Amino acid sequence: AQKITQTQPGMFVQEKEAVTLDCTYDTSDQSYGLFWYKQPSSGEMIFLIYQGSYDEQNATEGRYSLNFQKARKSANLVISASQLGDSAMYFCAMREGPDNYGQNFVFGPGTRLSVLP
Amino acid sequence: DTGVSQDPRHKITKRGQNVTFRCDPISEHNRLYWYRQTLGQGPEFLTYFQNEAQLEKSRLLSDRFSAERPKGSFSTLEIQRTEQGDSAMYLCASNRQGVTEAFFGQGTRLTVV
Repeated sequence: AQKITQTQPGMFVQEKEAVTLDCTYDTSDQSYGLFWYKQPSSGEMIFLIYQGSYDEQNATEGRYSLNFQKARKSANLVISASQLGDSAMYFCAMREGPDNYGQNFVFGPGTRLSVLP
Repeated sequence: DTGVSQDPRHKITKRGQNVTFRCDPISEHNRLYWYRQTLGQGPEFLTYFQNEAQLEKSRLLSDRFSAERPKGSFSTLEIQRTEQGDSAMYLCASNRQGVTEAFFGQGTRLTVV
């Protein structure tokens, strides 16, 4: 079974609008971490935001926020005020177990976001 | 620049040849990871080092694949007797124990012809 599901292969958003990228996950661990990475065409994976399973507040980093719904096992990324430079692949990833185990990330298949001028 | 560096960026090789990739992590990072990413997919974990010790290996890492991190600094990933199915982007990442996110390099794109 897929551990990370991203049901939107591609998304379009108008510049300056907000967009939500969906992510659901599957784990039986109580301690885990959820991540979002951005991969532009250059290939580098750029860390955006992190949510720990025990964090009660939704994570925010500038224009990025993570809508964490633990009971639904979802960790959606919200990008506010989209910019043309946000056009890229976006990957949701999960680390199972506590941080001191290292980070064997499991990545989802990704969502390609295109920001329209 | 003190980011994760990978070399080469691109490699084209004939089937059956051996290839070796290098990753230089961020200098103070003691953890180093290798991932493989095929077209249209998310990265898949291959292996993980803490200092010079290889602590975890994916079953994706067949006996044709070997990774080393001899002095706990840079790492190499070698693929022996390459096959067309090995064509992929090979990504390296690093971080420090206690730091949440991992920092990725730009990857080595391997094409086996």
